[in-house]
Amino acid sequence: QKEVEQNSGPLSVPEGAIASLNCTYSDRVSQSFFWYRQYSGKSPELIMSIYSNGDKEDGRFTAQLNKASQYVSLLIRDSQPSDSATYLCAVNRGNYGQNFVFGPGTRLSVLP
Amino acid sequence: GAVVSQHPSWVICKSGTSVKIECRSLDFQATTMFWYRQFPKQSLMLMATSNEGSKATYEQGVEKDKFLINHASLTLSTLTVTSAHPEDSSFYICSAQGRGRGTYEQYFGPGTRLTVT
Repeated sequence: QKEVEQNSGPLSVPEGAIASLNCTYSDRVSQSFFWYRQYSGKSPELIMSIYSNGDKEDGRFTAQLNKASQYVSLLIRDSQPSDSATYLCAVNRGNYGQNFVFGPGTRLSVLP
Repeated sequence: GAVVSQHPSWVICKSGTSVKIECRSLDFQATTMFWYRQFPKQSLMLMATSNEGSKATYEQGVEKDKFLINHASLTLSTLTVTSAHPEDSSFYICSAQGRGRGTYEQYFGPGTRLTVT
């Protein structure tokens, strides 16, 4: 079992819809969780971090964490074509940054 | 977000030569820096982790004598690709983590595209 798993996609949603991206992780001691966005040919950009169970909202983005089920998700409301990118889930298994693990990424395509 | 710079943004070199890539954290002290490589349409691949003032820890399969990493200060890490070959052509990305910018997040530089001819 891979440490961090994501559906590779592509996930296609129409403009204005809600895009739902999911991520599962295997290590129960994981402490913190992140979502990065990577446009083609560019480096990843941090868009959300979440540390405790529940929802965290930032603009059109909502991160959801459920440690008991070992999953973290990212919802993008009112999806725009500019949201089309690969979304990487990352899990930090330690207190600090020494145990960062990235998922393979989900490619999102928002259709105008 | 935090600012991490990389230089150069792209480089073309001849086979057999060495190339140095710099990674700088501009507004925080990076206690840990990471170096990744990414081939087209593939996932990020962690090459090595370096802590300021100590030797880098390389991932399995990454040749430490070929990819020299130096993290001499809290704001600068360098990756030197020695005796580069065409198969080393890739997108090299650094990231930084440390004091003053959230202990847990990694912030990425813009990447360096290396082409070896």
